[in-house]
Amino acid sequence: GAGVSQSPSNKVTEKGKDVELRCDPISGHTALYWYRQSLGQGLEFLIYFQGNSAPDKSGLPSDRFSAERTGGSVSTLTIQRTQQEDSAVYLCASSHYPRQGVNEKLFFGSGTQLSVL
Amino acid sequence: EDQVTQSPEALRLQEGESSSLNCSYTVSGLRGLFWYRQDPGKGPEFLFTLYSAGEEKEKERLKATLTKKESFLHITAPKPEDSATYLCAGAGQAGTALIFGKGTTLSVSS
Repeated sequence: GAGVSQSPSNKVTEKGKDVELRCDPISGHTALYWYRQSLGQGLEFLIYFQGNSAPDKSGLPSDRFSAERTGGSVSTLTIQRTQQEDSAVYLCASSHYPRQGVNEKLFFGSGTQLSVL
Repeated sequence: EDQVTQSPEALRLQEGESSSLNCSYTVSGLRGLFWYRQDPGKGPEFLFTLYSAGEEKEKERLKATLTKKESFLHITAPKPEDSATYLCAGAGQAGTALIFGKGTTLSVSS
């Protein structure tokens, strides 16, 4: 596709349920990021994938959060036993360049608005 | 602790009224300072990268500048379509995540 695609665009769930958020990055982009954007807060880094390397999970807020990237392309962010404080916009971004490089121009998807009732 | 702080939180301008947005940073080993634009319901869209103090980048009515402590996004003669949230982010030491500020929400009225 022409850009980063995320689905669903909106997700409403009940507290305690598990949710899966999907990200389809730009073709050929080896770097993939997940960020969380809460009301009035800056973008919060969650996890980073680069090619076949082990992901950087240092931003995941708890062990209820996990992510995988299959075949170096599509990524899924899973939140288990959702809590109300998990409500936020979850943004995925991809880049042609690895994070260690100087150019970190990121291309973002439109995000998934998650609401936990 | 690395930090990026943006001011003001919100800015209202009349069409044609020039102004500047501020991004103060304390990021050790800064490798780059980034500006993004975010429209409601959309993800951030890349605008500029600045790599060293004294550098300037321009795009249409926007000009970004960088010093050793802060960056400015100057908006000259803004139009209503410039209304958006502008995000600043710093790239620290290699292998660390971009650090984003909370953004400045700009509203330009005609």
